[in-house]
Amino acid sequence: EPEVTQTPSHQVTQMGQEVILRCVPISNHLYFYWYRQILGQKVEFLVSFYNNEISEKSEIFDDQFSVERPDGSNFTLKIRSTKLEDSAMYFCASSSGTSAASQYFGPGTRLLVL
Amino acid sequence: DAKTTQPPSMDCAEGRAANLPCNHSTISGNEYVYWYRQIHSQGPQYIIHGLKNNETNEMASLIITEDRKSSTLILPHATLRDTAVYYCIVRLPYNNNDMRFGAGTRLTVKP
Repeated sequence: EPEVTQTPSHQVTQMGQEVILRCVPISNHLYFYWYRQILGQKVEFLVSFYNNEISEKSEIFDDQFSVERPDGSNFTLKIRSTKLEDSAMYFCASSSGTSAASQYFGPGTRLLVL
Repeated sequence: DAKTTQPPSMDCAEGRAANLPCNHSTISGNEYVYWYRQIHSQGPQYIIHGLKNNETNEMASLIITEDRKSSTLILPHATLRDTAVYYCIVRLPYNNNDMRFGAGTRLTVKP
């Protein structure tokens, strides 16, 4: 069964450093998403991406964040200058684009900012 | 999107059916009901979704009341591996919209 994959599974970085989180969505999917979950809190939406541009974004997704689909398979989330409060699980998801299509989530990247 | 209300926790005996309720009294006519679960910090896992008819797949059944103001997710024979947080999400069928996760119901399946 096709699945969303994410790398790395864990990332430790120093405050102020840039990180890039990588995702490979399900191959025939058209919509891509990033969510995050701070430890013990709810899963929060960051951004949705379609046709090589951002469709929607939340207030969390400020200028420090960017997304890119650099080739036909990868979907990346970049955090330019990490802060302590960026420590969280980051989940990538994708959906097929048919009406009411469900989103399928990857296993997540645990980011720890020191 | 309509707000949902779920009990914070439930227990279920292994092998029994787990019935997880969700209230969504302000749901609008074209909003779908989705169910996901999250097993201990893993990525949310899609279970099932529906609009107004009852739905069944290999994982679960979804029962939506006729007025659509509430629904129940049924796991017919719960196993220990079904222990997870279950989320009921009501959402318009537009692909750029996020899945809005609440606090969910923590289901504990006991031997």
